Amino acid sequence: EADIYQTPRYLVIGTGKKITLECSQTMGHDKMYWYQQDPGMELHLIHYSYGVNSTEKGDLSSESTVSRIRTEHFPLTLESARPSHTSQYLCASSTRAGGSTNTQYFGPGTRLTVL
Amino acid sequence: QKEVEQDPGPLSVPEGAIVSLNCTYSNSAFQYFMWYRQYSRKGPELLMYTYSSGNKEDGRFTAQVDKSSKYISLFIRDSQPSDSATYLCAMSGGYGQNFVFGPGTRLSVLP
Repeated sequence: EADIYQTPRYLVIGTGKKITLECSQTMGHDKMYWYQQDPGMELHLIHYSYGVNSTEKGDLSSESTVSRIRTEHFPLTLESARPSHTSQYLCASSTRAGGSTNTQYFGPGTRLTVL
Repeated sequence: QKEVEQDPGPLSVPEGAIVSLNCTYSNSAFQYFMWYRQYSRKGPELLMYTYSSGNKEDGRFTAQVDKSSKYISLFIRDSQPSDSATYLCAMSGGYGQNFVFGPGTRLSVLP
């Protein structure tokens, strides 16, 4: 079972509010990711990080920002939430590829609704 | 054309059926292959993992990778209603590369 946690699990918030979605993993993985997924739709990579002080934008443009100050922690922030940000946000981490190993594990997700 | 294609589309089968899910890909550098199961409104759960070509079996699940054809499959034997979920294939070329996901196949196993 993957040891990757996300809080809150559900969040309903008004337009214009600043929000931070938390993600932590206890597996010691260097690489972490944020995906956005609308119901019944594909996963879209919005941010990733190779390690502390590393952040990169993913394939899907996002108004959110991320930070990586500690290996185990990769929070995502929206400075001013809008209804278009309503979605499920999934955090993931992966092992370092070595030989035959390179796997990615997901957290349970945060379902965000912006009114 | 997408880098990873997945078929079939939404699938409904009777309980006990054998299910075959497939993905094709275009990037010959991929060497790590995964199958995830995602229940509605949950995060994807790693189901099977295969490195390079070959078969891997775990209980009722078998994953096959054919790198020469750029084709991977997941077989589910004796399918159960609890197998009803969306199945995602994913692949990667290595640590410096991100994972590429298929669009998913929604499976319904009818009692």
